[in-house]
Amino acid sequence: GQNIDQPTEMTATEGAIVQINCTYQTSGFNGLFWYQQHAGEAPTFLSYNVLDGLEEKGRFSSFLSRSKGYSYLLLKELQMKDSASYLCAVRFIKAAGNKLTFGGGTRVLVKP
Amino acid sequence: DSGVTQTPKHLITATGQRVTLRCSPRSGDLSVYWYQQSLDQGLQFLIQYYNGEERAKGNILERFSAQQFPDLHSELNLSSLELGDSALYFCASSARQGIDEQYFGPGTRLTVT
Repeated sequence: GQNIDQPTEMTATEGAIVQINCTYQTSGFNGLFWYQQHAGEAPTFLSYNVLDGLEEKGRFSSFLSRSKGYSYLLLKELQMKDSASYLCAVRFIKAAGNKLTFGGGTRVLVKP
Repeated sequence: DSGVTQTPKHLITATGQRVTLRCSPRSGDLSVYWYQQSLDQGLQFLIQYYNGEERAKGNILERFSAQQFPDLHSELNLSSLELGDSALYFCASSARQGIDEQYFGPGTRLTVT
């Protein structure tokens, strides 16, 4: 199958760092996306990785290792507003069009 | 604001009924995607259209259908509704059907009673 695995929930303190891991099946991999979703709201695009390495965007960074089928999203200097679900989504090359397969999401709770 | 619009925002209807959800993609985007998100299922891909043609199908029930019109807006039709169809339905759009990220609309919350 094309399972995308990520932890269900994580808790961290304001100002700290949290790393959210995502693992996926490597066969047919053609890009990985991270989205942020606040409860009841639309997912918003955070980052895209298709080559190995680290992509940094302000307080958020995303890393990809294609050979290991592994990515992580790093949230630095956590703020209360970062409390949300973080969705890992993978595009598989055999999928028609631009179909993404989403993981179940990781709910991050930031405490004061 | 992603630029993707969806109507209605909320919809409450009874079992057995039929509803239509509407989506307008971002200006210039040719691809439209429909997703269903329920509490216990996460975000599930339903169907994709590109420039009026169906491109990919996911876990879409036979009771559900969609289309994309010449002006690129899309409609998702849900019929013979069941309690289990209660969910958030998101529409997303992207510029092409290749590598582009998808931008999500605010969603339609459907409640079937």
